[in-house]
This record gives sequence, C-alpha cells and structure tokens, in this order.
Amino acid sequence: DAGVIQSPRHEVTEMGQEVTLRCKPISGHDYLFWYRQTMMRGLELLIYFNNNVPIDDSGMPEDRFSAKMPNASFSTLKIQPSEPRDSAVYFCASSLRAGQGTEAFFGQGTRLTVV
Amino acid sequence: GNSVTQMEGPVTLSEEAFLTINCTYTATGYPSLFWYVQYPGEGLQLLLKATKADDKGSNKGFEATYRKETTSFHLEKGSVQVSDSAVYFCALKRDYGQNFVFGPGTRLSVLP
Repeated sequence: DAGVIQSPRHEVTEMGQEVTLRCKPISGHDYLFWYRQTMMRGLELLIYFNNNVPIDDSGMPEDRFSAKMPNASFSTLKIQPSEPRDSAVYFCASSLRAGQGTEAFFGQGTRLTVV
Repeated sequence: GNSVTQMEGPVTLSEEAFLTINCTYTATGYPSLFWYVQYPGEGLQLLLKATKADDKGSNKGFEATYRKETTSFHLEKGSVQVSDSAVYFCALKRDYGQNFVFGPGTRLSVLP
C-alpha cells in the first residue's frame, strides 16, 4: 500500500480564502484522524472518524473548520475563511481497527501558509 | 486528564553517544504507550510501542520500558548515528478510546 496520501503538500493562500486539504487513508483502515502541528501548540487532534462517521470533533478550533468523510477512501478538511493563525502543518492519519495497541499511520502532511 | 510530558530539547549528541529521552505520562486506566519519530519534512512514523506494564518495546536499536510505578516510558539507544537526527514524540492511547495524546516532541541532533 502507498500509505496515507495527503494533498497538496504545500498550500499558500491569502487570508479570507477557502482552503481544502485532502486525505486518502490506507485501504481497509477503519479510523481516520486529522491533526494540526504548530511550534506553539505541538500536535493537536482536530477530529477523528470511525467508518466514515465523525466521532469526536471537540478539537476543531471554530466554525471556520469543517471535515467530511464521504466514503472510506477520502476525507477533506476545509477552512473557510482562512486566517494567518491557521498556518500550520496538517496531518492525516489512519488506523486499522479498534484496539489499545493499534498504531496510527501518518501522511506526510500539508504545510499551510495563510498570508 | 490525560497528558504526556517529555524532556525539553533540543538534545545535541556526538555520534556513538548514549541517548536517553525522558517521557512521563498521566492517564486514567491502563494506556498503551508509543514513541513516534518525525524526520525533516515527513510525517510521524511509529518507532516502538508497549501495551502493558513492564513491556519493553524495541526497534532499530531504540528501547523503552513501560514503567507503571513511575508512569514513565523513557527512550534509550546505546549508540546514536547522524541518521537518528529527528524529532521524537512520546504518546499514549487510552484504554477506552482511539485518541492519541502526544507529548511536545524532543528534537535530537547527532553530530558526526
């Protein structure tokens, strides 16, 4: 398998624009996670899905952020409107099944810069 | 709540030196513990894990032992290489959920 695939790898956008980040999880994985990484706050869980259903979105910072998973092989994280403080690296991860010791596999991330 | 604390970085070592990166956790129940590594420009990769007390995880010369009595999971390697330069994250996963809780990360630089 090619692993978790994220696109784009880099995104530069102007404040106020809509940004859409995309993720393809590993085939057969039941769980999908979206994380944000910044120098100040480290790695933060934004939202995760189980079998395409959002389970916990308590980490989504505000209403400008939304995430969808229309099918088992695709998820999006949308920011509308974007702000400079949204600049970060956004990671998607997936895991195979429930289980305490199950690891998460990470994509290479999308580096978002909002100017 | 659940949390992970790691030693402050950056850590700078010479090649072949001994490495220890401290990690302690606070959690309810019996979490699993993980070390992830992030190389420049890449995502996180699992380095090793342990799912119960006294388990030792090991991989690529790295080791960590799950110590419930001290709530610790310190990462060690006997002889580091330049290629080990990366950021290392300690993480826990609760026994009743899917959320990972990550520590702040420790940057390691190994000089030739």
